[in-house]
Amino acid sequence: GAGVSQTPSNKVTEKGKYVELRCDPISGHTALYWYRQSLGQGPEFLIYFQGTGAADDSGLPNDRFFAVRPEGSVSTLKIQRTERGDSAVYLCASSLQGAQWNEQFFGPGTRLTVL
Amino acid sequence: ELKVEQNPLFLSMQEGKNYTIYCNYSTTSDRLYWYRQDPGKSLESLFVLLSNGAVKQEGRLMASLDTKARLSTLHITAAVHDLSATYFCAVDSINFGNEKLTFGTGTRLTIIP
Repeated sequence: GAGVSQTPSNKVTEKGKYVELRCDPISGHTALYWYRQSLGQGPEFLIYFQGTGAADDSGLPNDRFFAVRPEGSVSTLKIQRTERGDSAVYLCASSLQGAQWNEQFFGPGTRLTVL
Repeated sequence: ELKVEQNPLFLSMQEGKNYTIYCNYSTTSDRLYWYRQDPGKSLESLFVLLSNGAVKQEGRLMASLDTKARLSTLHITAAVHDLSATYFCAVDSINFGNEKLTFGTGTRLTIIP
């Protein structure tokens, strides 16, 4: 079946602009996660959705970052007033609610470059 | 705060040799995950280790978990070039349910012909 998909694959923007990154999880997965991966580092947690609600947003670095999942499927990560330090690969993952373990399946990522 | 450390960070090894990557974590967790990442690609799930003493093997890779020592190892047997990638371990909360993963910094493995 289809895996996690993310669009766009690459996004180049200018400092101060607004961007939206989209994630389409695996069908039937109710849990959705956003991570950010900087060059040479492991992914860092941003936010986690269970259904439509954000169950844990403790990883969002500041209030310029916001994410939604209005219908419990597709999610959008929104970044306002982008800064050069926001440049990274943004990864989305999904997992199956109620599973004994939390195996997360990752999408291909969106590479964000802020000039 | 949960911390996950891997070593080595970089590893070059010749084809045919054996080696081990280590993953230490700082707080109690019963669940540990290994992922592989090829350059410019996303993360591929390799192993899920759920309990103390768990051992899983797939091809030339074998992963084990010691929850008392808070240590997992990924052992590579008779390395081949196709295994060149970055390997990450990750842990999550001891509680069942869907929880965020905390990743190590990764081990970049290069297999030299």
